[in-house]
Amino acid sequence: QSALTQPASVSGSPGQSITISCTGSISDVGSYNLVSWYQQHPGKAPKVLLYEVTKRPSGVSNRFSGAKSGNTASLTISGLQAEDEADYYCCSFAGSSTIIFGGGTQLTVL
Amino acid sequence: EGQLVESGGGLVQPGGSLRLSCAASGFIFNSYNMNWVRQAPGKGLEWIAHISTSSSTIYYADSVKGRFTISRDNAKNSVSLQMNSLRDEDTAVYYCARVDWGSLAFDIWGQGTMVTVSS
Repeated sequence: QSALTQPASVSGSPGQSITISCTGSISDVGSYNLVSWYQQHPGKAPKVLLYEVTKRPSGVSNRFSGAKSGNTASLTISGLQAEDEADYYCCSFAGSSTIIFGGGTQLTVL
Repeated sequence: EGQLVESGGGLVQPGGSLRLSCAASGFIFNSYNMNWVRQAPGKGLEWIAHISTSSSTIYYADSVKGRFTISRDNAKNSVSLQMNSLRDEDTAVYYCARVDWGSLAFDIWGQGTMVTVSS
């Protein structure tokens, strides 16, 4: 199964908001509210930002928010900060007890 | 909060085998499902295997099915990944991760261990 589709890169200035899309299909994103998002800094392990589309684990800033419409999920980061510069991955349940990740999006804070 | 530490990575020839281990601490290990996720150099994340709390439910990605085996030892707070018939494309950093399967939240990750398949 192919990876979920994310833009390769996005950028924004400090204080701005950016949105990263994650497009799948009716077999994954479109059928389940089991979409999570991860932040990965270079050389580090991923960190969960959101799960079940919109839920934030304790300790994650409310600057991170999620949404889903049809086969596309999205992550919005508001009030961009320099420390947000990282790679971001979406993840979805894909049925048949499998999980699929997105290809990843590199965020640059200008 | 909890910690995971992987070990066992290294250089192996194509067709060879390697066993990865992941030691858990700081949480009630036998209450959580565990997974392995890998990341090829410069590439994205790829889920590869899942094991439930009692080992009663195991799932694999198609890319590793029949070659990799996930297992756990709740008495030793550890999860393992036996990798056989290794291929060049298995070269990656391998992460073990704690997951709430019901919510699809991989909430604790290890630091990763590098596996290089090359002749």
